Amino acid sequence: AAGVIQSPRHLIKEKRETATLKCYPIPRHDTVYWYQQGPGQDPQFLISFYEKMQSDKGSIPDRFSAQQFSDYHSELNMSSLELGDSALYFCASLRGGGKNEQFFGPGTRLTVL
Amino acid sequence: AQKITQTQPGMFVQEKEAVTLDCTYDTSDQSYGLFWYKQPSSGEMIFLIYQGSYDEQNATEGRYSLNFQKARKSANLVISASQLGDSAMYFCAMREGYSGGGADGLTFGKGTHLIIQP
Repeated sequence: AAGVIQSPRHLIKEKRETATLKCYPIPRHDTVYWYQQGPGQDPQFLISFYEKMQSDKGSIPDRFSAQQFSDYHSELNMSSLELGDSALYFCASLRGGGKNEQFFGPGTRLTVL
Repeated sequence: AQKITQTQPGMFVQEKEAVTLDCTYDTSDQSYGLFWYKQPSSGEMIFLIYQGSYDEQNATEGRYSLNFQKARKSANLVISASQLGDSAMYFCAMREGYSGGGADGLTFGKGTHLIIQP
């Protein structure tokens, strides 16, 4: 079965650089979530989109922005990167109207040097 | 206040024994959903089980069951006949205000690191 695809899987950036993470949800899933998991931490919800509109907002820094495109894929744009942004970034998808699990992608591991 | 509390940072269990991982939650919503995820050392987040606040029966998925006690606001995960491959971090999570749709993010607990010993 198709799963959530995230790219790149690993990313190394310098401080103050920008990064773009991509997420391709499971086919026919119209809802996308972004989570950030720091080392040894629990995942923190950043932002979500339903039918290409922002739906819910969590602890997303102002330096980050995200959008969902017409094909339902989503991109998380991160600017002025800081050392503390080093984390595993998960994308999850859900079929709208469904009540059960958010299917998580494998994550993008971002390292900021 | 913590919305999801997992009081067991780590647990060691003998293979084939049953395991109970504790989770309590705090919400004023009548409609919410509770989830358990497994995160092996490889990092992926694997869905295990879901319980809706209006579900009258405890959820079960294979060797996993959720002991849902609504009045106590607890949603403990029970793993029967533990296996070496069950060694991982386990996260309890909640989605508030669930009404069958929407895109509300999950709130996670701090997790329990479960180690199954042979």
